[in-house]
Amino acid sequence: GAVVSQHPSRVICKSGTSVKIECRSLDFQATTMFWYRQFPKKSLMLMATSNEGSKATYEQGVEKDKFLINHASLTLSTLTVTSAHPEDSSFYICSADGTSGSAQYFGPGTRLTVL
Amino acid sequence: QKEVEQNSGPLSVPEGAIASLNCTYSDRGSQSFFWYRQYSGKSPELIMFIYSNGDKEDGRFTAQLNKASQYVSLLIRDSQPSDSATYLCAVWNTGKLIFGQGTTLQVKP
Repeated sequence: GAVVSQHPSRVICKSGTSVKIECRSLDFQATTMFWYRQFPKKSLMLMATSNEGSKATYEQGVEKDKFLINHASLTLSTLTVTSAHPEDSSFYICSADGTSGSAQYFGPGTRLTVL
Repeated sequence: QKEVEQNSGPLSVPEGAIASLNCTYSDRGSQSFFWYRQYSGKSPELIMFIYSNGDKEDGRFTAQLNKASQYVSLLIRDSQPSDSATYLCAVWNTGKLIFGQGTTLQVKP
């Protein structure tokens, strides 16, 4: 298995502010991490693939200027929601490859509420 | 056509019974298949993965893969109320996981 952490677990912010979410692989190195968003009672939606040392690959319909991803090291990827609005309120989850091939291990998630 | 399809349920089974969760996928070239469990308000937890045709058992869980039929299933034996959750089927394809919409399982005492 593999352990992935996220911080913060919960954040409430005012509309127009920016929020940074950290995703860390604690006991392994991850050249690739993934960022998902999940709305209530819906499945996970892949937002982007975060690659260490290079630009992230965004899924169709995801604004790269709004959701900034930085993967500066083999154990840390960050997602910054810029100028957040109430419609950005969601559950954001990251994942990374563990030691079992392409199996993805998920962080505990960050619940963002934008007022 | 959705790439990974699951019946959203809810699937309701009595405690001690076998729960059978099913999933179909559209891309015949898919190689890796995963089952995740997600409790309400929590992130997904990996239960099992399977790469080859046939069955793979881990404790009370058995994953079954039939690539010819593009079908993967998860059996949960001796279901417990603590198994009540949403079960997500996922397929690894072109460098990313494609998720189904999930099946909600309710195990009634």
